[in-house]
Amino acid sequence: GAVVSQHPSRVICKSGTSVKIECRSLDFQATTMFWYRQFPKQSLMLMATSNEGSKATYEQGVEKDKFLINHASLTLSTLTVTSAHPEDSSFYICSARAATHQETQYFGPGTRLLVL
Amino acid sequence: SNSVKQTGQITVSEGASVTMNCTYTSTGYPTLFWYVEYPSKPLQLLQRETMENSKNFGGGNIKDKNSPIVKYSVQVSDSAVYYCLLGICPGNTPLVFGKGTRLSVIA
Repeated sequence: GAVVSQHPSRVICKSGTSVKIECRSLDFQATTMFWYRQFPKQSLMLMATSNEGSKATYEQGVEKDKFLINHASLTLSTLTVTSAHPEDSSFYICSARAATHQETQYFGPGTRLLVL
Repeated sequence: SNSVKQTGQITVSEGASVTMNCTYTSTGYPTLFWYVEYPSKPLQLLQRETMENSKNFGGGNIKDKNSPIVKYSVQVSDSAVYYCLLGICPGNTPLVFGKGTRLSVIA
């Protein structure tokens, strides 16, 4: 089946630094990628929709200047958490929708971010 | 509007069969997915139901706004959070997540 990878899988950083998370579709082209965030014991929350070659669409309440999303190619989207703070500590998951089977999304394994 | 509702928590004994419900509303053409989340592991796709392949999982039917998942003879290792997700076609829309059903299987 289709595979989506995320890198890094786990990252610990100091408050005030920026962290970049990569989401790659390994064996298919993804015209659309989604970024989700999961707080402990809560459901996944959609942060933004990333379309290749255009600006991301952010959900209400998500700061676009803090969570920078770039979807430069059909196989790569990046999420950069700028000036991270302890409250940004969370589990970030991306999913990719294939250009040819648009009803199915494939999830990455997630990135655990801990900001000290 | 688009929404998904799931039962919050289910506790059963090993060997039992359990049906986890997922009811939804959709403004578009729906596909219902079930994913399971084990601790520290990526989401795994368990089941996908569309209008074309509707199989009456667990007595429910996507055409009746209900797409349950059934697990037979559950084991302790099946304890996890099970998410029902609504995909909408056509269009560039993200999945709509249910809040998840936490299944606890006790020995």
